[in-house]
This record gives sequence, structure tokens and C-alpha cells, in this order.
Amino acid sequence: AQTVTQSQPEMSVQEAETVTLSCTYDTSENNYYLFWYKQPPSRQMILVIRQEAYKQQNATENRFSVNFQKAAKSFSLKISDSQLGDTAMYFCAFAKVTLNKLVFGAGTILRVKS
Amino acid sequence: GAGVSQSPSNKVTEKGKDVELRCDPISGHTALYWYRQSLGQGLEFLIYFQGNSAPDKSGLPSDRFSAERTGGSVSTLTIQRTQQEDSAVYLCASSSGLGTYGEQFFGPGTRLTVL
Repeated sequence: AQTVTQSQPEMSVQEAETVTLSCTYDTSENNYYLFWYKQPPSRQMILVIRQEAYKQQNATENRFSVNFQKAAKSFSLKISDSQLGDTAMYFCAFAKVTLNKLVFGAGTILRVKS
Repeated sequence: GAGVSQSPSNKVTEKGKDVELRCDPISGHTALYWYRQSLGQGLEFLIYFQGNSAPDKSGLPSDRFSAERTGGSVSTLTIQRTQQEDSAVYLCASSSGLGTYGEQFFGPGTRLTVL
């Protein structure tokens, strides 16, 4: 079975600063997908960024980028130029290639302060 | 276009009552997922539909939980004889399941409170 661990329950960052959220996972699969989802107080889960395990290049989406270390089974999210609207719960998630379900970490609450 | 919708948004019920939660996926999406988000348990998978069939229902916590999907569209999650530990937010997601990556789009969830 796959497991996803987020070791930071809460984090704070000053507006315009950079913050990194950690995620580690355990799997025996060689090919899989990794995701970061954002859940603001509205409860709506929003996909932030995804990474295919067979790709060595780290994914980037505007201010969001990941540091994917396959051998270490680590998948951290870096948010640059943090904005107040980034305040949310962030979930790291794993999916097999068949994508029949997502396995989530416990989440990290991120607070961006002005 | 319309996203995934869920109803009701909030549901308060008494212990022992049955409840039905509804999910309307994005039109044309063949895959549908139910997840539960509760304090102390995080987000956990419940069941997955491909069309009207459920090839993976491994996450349903007990036989009090059941789900169906009709016409390859709307899905209903039913919880019988609700217990206080069933209190949680129930999230539905759908995906096109096409190509090498089928992003899951989530609905706003139903917050269930069992008194």
C-alpha cells in the first residue's frame, strides 16, 4: 500500500517571501503520479501542480514549483512570491498510473501574513 | 462550464437515521470518486466508479455505506443508521479518464454532522 507523509502540520510565511512544503511517500511502484492540491476555507480542492514519476524534470506552474527526488521518495512544493490568496490547506497526493484513486497526506496549513 | 456539484452543502442528522449525499459530475466525465475528509483521519478514498460500475470500493468503511451511479452520471452515497463517527466532509470528484492523465476535479463537498 502507498502512504504519503506531510510532516509540517502548519506553516507561516510573510507575503512576497518563499516557502517550501515537504512531502514524502512510500511505494513499490516505478511509475506513478504525484500532486499538490490546495484547499482554501471554501473547501474546494484545487489542483496546484502535478508530476509524472517518469519525468526527471521538475514541474513548474507560475509561482509554484516542485523538487521531485524519486530515489529519496520526496516531493516538496515551493511557493515563490507568496500571496495572501495562497492561504489554505495544502495536500500532497499519490496516484498509481491507473489513477483509480488518490492517496493523500494529512495536509499542511499555510498562512500567508501581510 | 459547470464543475462538479454536490448536494446538500450541509446536512445535520440524528444518530441512527439514513442519509443520501448526491454528486453531479462534470458532463462527459466517465470516472467518479468519493472521498471522506474527517478530523484525525485526513482525506480517505471511499469508492471509484467507471461508468456505472464500481471496480474499487475498498475504502467503504462498513456495510452501512453504499453508493450507486446511474446513467453514467449522477452518483448517490448512502449512509444507513448513521453514527457520530460518520461526521465528516464528503467530497466527490470526477475525471475524464482519457489519455495518460485524468485530472480529478472536486466538488465543494457535503458537510455531514451526526448528532
